[in-house]
Amino acid sequence: EAQVTQNPRYLITVTGKKLTVTCSQNMNHEYMSWYRQDPGLGLRQIYYSMNVEVTDKGDVPEGYKVSRKEKRNFPLILESPSPNQTSLYFCASSPTSLAVRPYNEQFFGPGTRLTVL
Amino acid sequence: AQSVTQLDSHVSVSEGTPVLLRCNYSSSYSPSLFWYVQHPNKGLQLLLKYTSAATLVKGINGFEAEFKKSETSFHLTKPSAHMSDAAEYFCARGDSWGKLQFGAGTQVVVTP
Repeated sequence: EAQVTQNPRYLITVTGKKLTVTCSQNMNHEYMSWYRQDPGLGLRQIYYSMNVEVTDKGDVPEGYKVSRKEKRNFPLILESPSPNQTSLYFCASSPTSLAVRPYNEQFFGPGTRLTVL
Repeated sequence: AQSVTQLDSHVSVSEGTPVLLRCNYSSSYSPSLFWYVQHPNKGLQLLLKYTSAATLVKGINGFEAEFKKSETSFHLTKPSAHMSDAAEYFCARGDSWGKLQFGAGTQVVVTP
């Protein structure tokens, strides 16, 4: 089944304790992206990747890191989480960037609900 | 300036009545536009997308949306709401940098 998977689905942690949220897609997509969803704000892009070893900042990158060593995986790293990073996080993938194909659908993972105490 | 504005944060409808979810966008060119739905504890699922082929776009589950360039709108409609339509709906626009800009979302409640 074509899908985007994220792990863990739920995570409660404490301030300053490094964590990684994994994201994997099995559709051979070039483009991958991370979003955070907060009430009243919709989804905001954190980082994106056009292809392997190519990543760039989205709208809210502060406090986050990413890497794209393999095409299928795009982990999100919080080196020193803070309470304002408590949010619902979504990973998404698409065959290519919208800049290349403007009508590409993005496929979303099930989400990771993170609470930072 | 916000790229996508969803005019209603909450919409409540009775089962069997029409649903209208409003979305306005800001753009100096013809954008790519999308509607996504998010059911509780689920990821986002594409309902439909505007590809410039036709101004009236039909999507899944009986939803459709009309692109109106003069009004910079892309409102989502369904003639008859079903209980399973209760969810949060997001309008999104592809920008010139290839990013997807989302509206704040509209929560739909369907009452029996």
